[in-house]
Amino acid sequence: DAGVIQSPRHEVTEMGQEVTLRCKPISGHNSLFWYRQTMMRGLELLIYFNNNVPIDDSGMPEDRFSAKMPNASFSTLKIQPSEPRDSAVYFCASSHAGLAADTQYFGPGTRLTVL
Amino acid sequence: DQQVKQNSPSLSVQEGRISILNCDYTNSMFDYFLWYKKYPAEGPTFLISISSIKDKNEDGRFTVFLNKSAKHLSLHIVPSQPGDSAVYFCAASGLGTNAGKSTFGDGTTLTVKP
Repeated sequence: DAGVIQSPRHEVTEMGQEVTLRCKPISGHNSLFWYRQTMMRGLELLIYFNNNVPIDDSGMPEDRFSAKMPNASFSTLKIQPSEPRDSAVYFCASSHAGLAADTQYFGPGTRLTVL
Repeated sequence: DQQVKQNSPSLSVQEGRISILNCDYTNSMFDYFLWYKKYPAEGPTFLISISSIKDKNEDGRFTVFLNKSAKHLSLHIVPSQPGDSAVYFCAASGLGTNAGKSTFGDGTTLTVKP
């Protein structure tokens, strides 16, 4: 299996532009997670889906952020409009089953820079 | 309120010696704990885990200890190798509102010197 795939790996954009990050989870996994990593706040959970349904989006910073999972093999995280403080590494992870003991498999991340 | 804390941002040890990384948690609903390892420009990868019904789990050079009464866990690496140099994240998951997701600590950067 190719593992969790994220694209793009790097994104540089200007303030005010729309940014879309993409994720393909591991086939057969039914939970998908979006994280943001910054120096100041560490690894933050933004939102997670179970069976394509958003379960907990309490970590989404504000209305500028939105996430979708139209099917089991694809998810997007969109920022509109982007701001310099959104600069971070965004990770997608997937896991199997909704048990508390599930191990998450992370993608390589998307490094976002907003100028 | 940070529910999972790794109070040491960094740790440096000599090759061959023991590395001990610590993690504290506050939520008594956590019942499963994981350690992840992260190299630069890569995503975190699962290393080892422990259920709250155990107090020790071992996998090769890596051992995780859990002290539930103290709400404390630690990761021991023996012997440490230069390739172990990475950021180590402690994570916890459990019941109730924590079901289905993990809460991560801020990470500890381990440097193993040759």
